[in-house]
Amino acid sequence: AQSVTQLDSHVSVSEGTPVLLRCNYSSSYSPSLFWYVQHPNKGLQLLLKYTSAATLVKGINGFEAEFKKSETSFHLTKPSAHMSDAAEYFCVVTRGGGSNYKLTFGKGTLLTVNP
Amino acid sequence: DGGITQSPKYLFRKEGQNVTLSCEQNLNHDAMYWYRQDPGQGLRLIYYSQIVNDFQKGDIAEGYSVSREKKESFPLTVTSAQKNPTAFYLCASSLQGVRAYNEQFFGPGTRLTVL
Repeated sequence: AQSVTQLDSHVSVSEGTPVLLRCNYSSSYSPSLFWYVQHPNKGLQLLLKYTSAATLVKGINGFEAEFKKSETSFHLTKPSAHMSDAAEYFCVVTRGGGSNYKLTFGKGTLLTVNP
Repeated sequence: DGGITQSPKYLFRKEGQNVTLSCEQNLNHDAMYWYRQDPGQGLRLIYYSQIVNDFQKGDIAEGYSVSREKKESFPLTVTSAQKNPTAFYLCASSLQGVRAYNEQFFGPGTRLTVL
């Protein structure tokens, strides 16, 4: 069984300040973890993924996430927010190894960036 | 350009009518998926297919049907049995195999509104 909890449904930051979007997961197996971003009325775009290699994962647009097994967390960070980062972000967990089809999505965190 | 296309972008239908949503991919991916997205609920899996001429129910398959006659195509029919069909529908695809790590690529979505 697997599940994912995004701890904030809405995060608001000012442009140029750091971003932190929190995600905790639960998995009976060694997990793969992803962060996807969705702009309004668009499909999802992969930001980054953890697949049991380095625990600090760098993604596109300056985002990164750290896999912490002891805390069962995979928080998404960015040092300096840009207006174009305003979107909804989804944390996703699946069983590692590519043999299991199923992704489990969090309910999303809406990021607002204020000028 | 390789990718996933969904059509139409917006769809309006009267209550009681069946409607078919199109999904095509030219990524040569084996697996394809349909998700439903409602505000504040993340994505929920409707159906998935790992190979041509085979598909499996996801978490919320009632009131939906699919076919997979070609590797590139995975249309979704929303039937009159679906009690609340108004939603944003996302199609995705992925490679299969040990190195795929289950990363899914998403189309731009179809917004269905039942009047």
